[in-house]
Amino acid sequence: SQQGEEDPQALSIQEGENATMNCSYKTSINNLQWYRQNSGRGLVHLILIRSNEREKHSGRLRVTLDTSKKSSSLLITASRAADTASYFCATDPPMFSGGYNKLIFGAGTRLAVHP
Amino acid sequence: KAGVTQTPRYLIKTRGQQVTLSCSPISGHRSVSWYQQTPGQGLQFLFEYFSETQRNKGNFPGRFSGRQFSNSRSEMNVSTLELGDSALYLCASSLESSGANVLTFGAGSRLTVL
Repeated sequence: SQQGEEDPQALSIQEGENATMNCSYKTSINNLQWYRQNSGRGLVHLILIRSNEREKHSGRLRVTLDTSKKSSSLLITASRAADTASYFCATDPPMFSGGYNKLIFGAGTRLAVHP
Repeated sequence: KAGVTQTPRYLIKTRGQQVTLSCSPISGHRSVSWYQQTPGQGLQFLFEYFSETQRNKGNFPGRFSGRQFSNSRSEMNVSTLELGDSALYLCASSLESSGANVLTFGAGSRLTVL
């Protein structure tokens, strides 16, 4: 079963606007990752934030993590039509729970950026 | 550096048949994991292999099996196919460093069961 739940399920914005996606999860984690998937293709890793970090930046991406609320957000600034894709958060459980490379993915947010 | 290669990309089977999907990880990556993606259930973890050993298994019936070879290439097999097995099957490899399991995915094998 999925651990993460993304919100919103779908987001439609204009080019140049910012897009914010949220993710909530249920159990303890080593880290949280965000992946992107273009229509029916494989997922591409975007950014990883460790459980002891609160914020991380990579280019136009900003990720925050609040372990007390078990939530994370992904902000894409100055969005482009090429950002149109589905975005998934994935949690990485601790090794003691048998978490070897067993990422648990959320349901994803479908982002549409219109020119 | 070649990415993760999955074959075949598309296949159509009928109920009751079996299917084998192949995955070649990135050179040097010894961990290979498999996920099933469907519109209803999303991305579900199937299993993970490291150095030819299955280290983790998801909640799927025994019809789903896999293996990993000494060169890290992996295969998964689904026997007695059901309509509900129609899905995108994604393979991912990982270098496993610093305890951060960043996965590199292949493009997937899209299975349609008729």
